[in-house]
Amino acid sequence: DAGITQSPRYKITETGRQVTLMCHQTWSHSYMFWYRQDLGHGLRLIYYSAAADITDKGEVPDGYVVSRSKTENFPLTLESATRSQTSVYFCASRPLAGVGYEQYFGPGTRLTVT
Amino acid sequence: AQRVTQPEKLLSVFKGAPVELKCNYSYSGSPELFWYVQYSRQRLQLLLRHISRESIKGFTADLNKGETSFHLKKPFAQEEDSAMYYCALSGGSQGNLIFGKGTKLSVKP
Repeated sequence: DAGITQSPRYKITETGRQVTLMCHQTWSHSYMFWYRQDLGHGLRLIYYSAAADITDKGEVPDGYVVSRSKTENFPLTLESATRSQTSVYFCASRPLAGVGYEQYFGPGTRLTVT
Repeated sequence: AQRVTQPEKLLSVFKGAPVELKCNYSYSGSPELFWYVQYSRQRLQLLLRHISRESIKGFTADLNKGETSFHLKKPFAQEEDSAMYYCALSGGSQGNLIFGKGTKLSVKP
């Protein structure tokens, strides 16, 4: 299970602060994803990346920034955190597009914005 | 629009009873459907995918294109099945998943 890791696992920050959530995978998977998990909403896609230097918006991208300079890392930055961004954030990866490839999820980061 | 609907937020059954978690989807092409499970405070794990037609931990799911459904079933629930279950659709070229809102399964002794 060390294939995809997230740090920190827990974070408390104040409104207006910038915070970066890290995601690292050791499989060299092409695709990486960021989801947020909220009660009553399930998981919603924030951003995804098809390869290094290729990123695109998902369903709920506002207030977030991503980068992917290396295949194995996909950090998510909240530029100015708001209380509505209190959530559990999951990073995921998959090797290729196409039928039959599952996504592998990290352990999650529980973020609280006060 | 692509959408996944899980109509039950919570499903509570007794140990040994049959379980059916409902999932309906909306997708214009040929969907790829999954069931993911999340045990308490753990990461999501793949439980089933429709193309492999397998049975994992006694769970099965059949894709019904006519009813646009992918219900998850188990004939005899166990306490360790208590978890959050998400149905997901992969329909885009990028392989991103569209999740339902999840159903919390509680199996009572």
